[in-house]
Amino acid sequence: GENVEQHPSTLSVQEGDSAVIKCTYSDSASNYFPWYKQELGKRPQLIIDIRSNVGEKKDQRIAVTLNKTAKHFSLHITETQPEDSAVYFCAALLSGSARQLTFGSGTQLTVLP
Amino acid sequence: ETGVTQTPRHLVMGMTNKKSLKCEQHLGHNAMYWYKQSAKKPLELMFVYNFKEQTENNSVPSRFSPECPNSSHLFLHLHTLQPEDSALYLCASSQGDRENNEQFFGPGTRLTVL
Repeated sequence: GENVEQHPSTLSVQEGDSAVIKCTYSDSASNYFPWYKQELGKRPQLIIDIRSNVGEKKDQRIAVTLNKTAKHFSLHITETQPEDSAVYFCAALLSGSARQLTFGSGTQLTVLP
Repeated sequence: ETGVTQTPRHLVMGMTNKKSLKCEQHLGHNAMYWYKQSAKKPLELMFVYNFKEQTENNSVPSRFSPECPNSSHLFLHLHTLQPEDSALYLCASSQGDRENNEQFFGPGTRLTVL
């Protein structure tokens, strides 16, 4: 099965700075990597995802990079704002599996004003 | 946000009680999931249903019993739970035959076992 590790578990940045969260996965057959954001008391919601045939994807202030050789992918948030404070989860989908995602353990991001 | 709904939102039960959690999705998806979210193990997959058939049971204790009568509804029956079962139980759905498999989560049921 797949195993996803996520670091760091907590991250504090000053407003306007960048934040980077990293994940590694174990199974090279994984081909889809989403990132979810969960604000306090709310449900997780997809914010960006990347397929294995792409190395980088960007959506305004957030971007995700994927290194298939090293089996790691990262979330980059630039010009952070207080509303970016949340728990972020990475996940990996194993190709051919019963469509189940394996989630990382989460990163609590705090953006300090 | 009414795509995936869950009831009740909060539940307090004793260890000898029997209760059920309900999930309903209005997105036309064919896959539904139960997750347990606690401080110790965030987003722990419990059960997966594809086209109403259970395809995954991640070593969940038998005191948790899922039921999927149709592709829109998912239940989690609870009996003789333990205090360590206290957690947020999240339901999710997805279009199981799509490669990107975006999962849409419900608001969760906050369960406290006394």
